[in-house]
Amino acid sequence: EIVLTQSPGTLSLSPGERATLSCRASQSVSSTYLAWYQQKPGQAPRLLVYGASSRAAGIPDRFSGSGSGTDFTLTISRLEPEDLAVYYCQQYGRAPLTFGQGTKLEIK
Amino acid sequence: QVQLQESGPGLVRPSETLSLTCSVSGGPISSGNYFWHWIRQPPGKGLEWIANIYYSGTAYYNPSLKSRVTISVDTAKNQFSLNLNSVTAADTAVYYCARVASEGAYCSATNCYGSFDLWGQGTMVTVSS
Repeated sequence: EIVLTQSPGTLSLSPGERATLSCRASQSVSSTYLAWYQQKPGQAPRLLVYGASSRAAGIPDRFSGSGSGTDFTLTISRLEPEDLAVYYCQQYGRAPLTFGQGTKLEIK
Repeated sequence: QVQLQESGPGLVRPSETLSLTCSVSGGPISSGNYFWHWIRQPPGKGLEWIANIYYSGTAYYNPSLKSRVTISVDTAKNQFSLNLNSVTAADTAVYYCARVASEGAYCSATNCYGSFDLWGQGTMVTVSS
């Protein structure tokens, strides 16, 4: 099983700043089969990025993904108050599908 | 547009079977382009993949739950279901159904794993006597 470790656990930033979220895999993730999700309180997760760097439909270009192998990053430029959420990475290159433990983004 | 809706009991007794259904509206579950999944999230914790199924009935399970889980599909009713037996308090969670598109996914001869582009709203299931 591929274990995904996200850091930091909590990130507190101000509107307009840039957020950098990390996801590290215990084994190489095949062909960048990695996705990022945003989960706001009381809601289901929403797909932000798939294939490590492709934005899902309707996702603003403030959200961008990068990385390969075992190290992946989600960057949110120009933070807005509505970005308050927990962000999860997920790998789908090897069964079982696994998720990271999440990074909580707080907006000051 | 396609929507997913979970349904089932909100309270299940320990050692009994948890049964949930995901109703698919706005499109046929028998579309060959999609795979249908169950995912759960214990209160205040992260996400755990449970199982997935194709409209043909081919199913795959998380090894950590495989001995207790059955996933099934009913194309006539346009829905798929989850049964989890011998439940304990550790099975208390929000249960989500979700969809994976084969496009962009990692596919073997019989299954595709990908990102979840569509989710149900989730249903909270508590295991308690």
